[in-house]
Amino acid sequence: RKEVEQDPGPFNVPEGATVAFNCTYSNSASQSFFWYRQDCRKEPKLLMSVYSSGNEDGRFTAQLNRASQYISLLIRDSKLSDSATYLCVVMGDYKLSFGAGTTVTVRA
Amino acid sequence: NAGVTQTPKFQVLKTGQSMTLQCAQDMNHNSMYWYRQDPGMGLRLIYYSASEGTTDKGEVPNGYNVSRLNKREFSLRLESAAPSQTSVYFCASSGNQRVQETQYFGPGTRLLVL
Repeated sequence: RKEVEQDPGPFNVPEGATVAFNCTYSNSASQSFFWYRQDCRKEPKLLMSVYSSGNEDGRFTAQLNRASQYISLLIRDSKLSDSATYLCVVMGDYKLSFGAGTTVTVRA
Repeated sequence: NAGVTQTPKFQVLKTGQSMTLQCAQDMNHNSMYWYRQDPGMGLRLIYYSASEGTTDKGEVPNGYNVSRLNKREFSLRLESAAPSQTSVYFCASSGNQRVQETQYFGPGTRLLVL
């Protein structure tokens, strides 16, 4: 079983729509959680950390559910520039574990 | 600041050839990492260096060696390339020895082994 699992998508949404997706993790002792963004054929970049109480960064909202071992990302008022692959990243033991990513395509 | 730089950007090798991927960072970070990314899979850690002078195996170290040349540079060597090593390789760095610090990635090296 993969340590971090994500729905690969793609999620195709119109501009202005809300899109949300989850990621599940297997290690209940995981300590820190992140969402990274990766544009096509580019390097991953940190989008936001995920805190236990949930947190927002502009149009992006991240939630953590430790009991069910998943984290979520919600994007409101989608922009064309939000088209990317979103990587769920979990820190457990000594290393980061990356999900394979969820692809979001925002259309005009 | 250039951040994290990697060379080369692209490389084609024949099975059995060797090569070294170079990585450098100018952010004075202590920790550096090498990952590979394959279709349908998340980034997988090959080796990491928590600080200058130390290196440790990650999830998929077989077939690779690393050198932390100094605080800035961390190289990855393939001694005898195999087709299974065809992948995109990313180098990353972070501020201190705590893994949970934000990792900054280089632009990647696309490697094809024939």
